[in-house]
Amino acid sequence: DTEVTQTPKHLVMGMTNKKSLKCEQHMGHRAMYWYKQKAKKPPELMFVYSYEKLSINESVPSRFSPECPNSSLLNLHLHALQPEDSALYLCASSPGPRAGTEAFFGQGTRLTVV
Amino acid sequence: AQTVTQSQPEMSVQEAETVTLSCTYDTSESDYYLFWYKQPPSRQMILVIRQEAYKQQNATENRFSVNFQKAAKSFSLKISDSQLGDAAMYFCAYRSPLRLTFGTGTRLQVTL
Repeated sequence: DTEVTQTPKHLVMGMTNKKSLKCEQHMGHRAMYWYKQKAKKPPELMFVYSYEKLSINESVPSRFSPECPNSSLLNLHLHALQPEDSALYLCASSPGPRAGTEAFFGQGTRLTVV
Repeated sequence: AQTVTQSQPEMSVQEAETVTLSCTYDTSESDYYLFWYKQPPSRQMILVIRQEAYKQQNATENRFSVNFQKAAKSFSLKISDSQLGDAAMYFCAYRSPLRLTFGTGTRLQVTL
C-alpha cells in the first residue's frame, strides 16, 4: 500500500462551521505534512509532524488546528474559516524527516468557504 | 530560508519531441535533495525524479533526466519523447530535513 488517503475530496463549509480534514497512510511513515495550495500556485507548507510530534508550524492562523492521534493518521481541524482559506489542502507523508526521504502525496481536499 | 525559482510559467512541446524545464534554487546547506514533481489535473503530486546533492552524476528515470549543476544551483528537467500524458504542472522542489519547498511551477502542454 503506497497510498496517502485524504477525506473528504470536496468540502463546502460556512464561516461559522467546524469541520475536519482527515489524512491516512499505512506505509509506516513517521513524518506527515499539511500543505495549502491556491489555484495556479505551488503548495505552501503549513504543518509538519515528526514521530507524532508537531515539529513545524509555519505561523498558521489558529483557526487551523492540526492533530496527529497516531503514526498513521493526521487531522486538520477547521473553525471559523474565512473565504480566503478556500484552497486545495494536500497531505503528504515520508518515511522520516530526513532530506533523502521521498514525500508521498494524497489527492487533496478541495475546500470552499462560503 | 531556501528559495526555488522556475522562470518558465508555461512551456509547450510537440508529441515525441524533447523539452527542458528550468529550475534554480538558493541555499547555504550542504545536505539536501532535489525533486521534480508532476501535478496533473487529478491534483495528486507525483514524483518524477530525484537528485542527491552529493552525487555528481545526473539522475535519469526512463524518458526523464536532469541536468544538475551544483555550483550554479541549477536543476533542469529534460523530458524526451514527450507524450500526451506528460501534460501537467511540473514543480521543482528542494528537500531539506522536515521541509519540502516548491518552485512556482511550469505548466507543460503537449500538442499533436
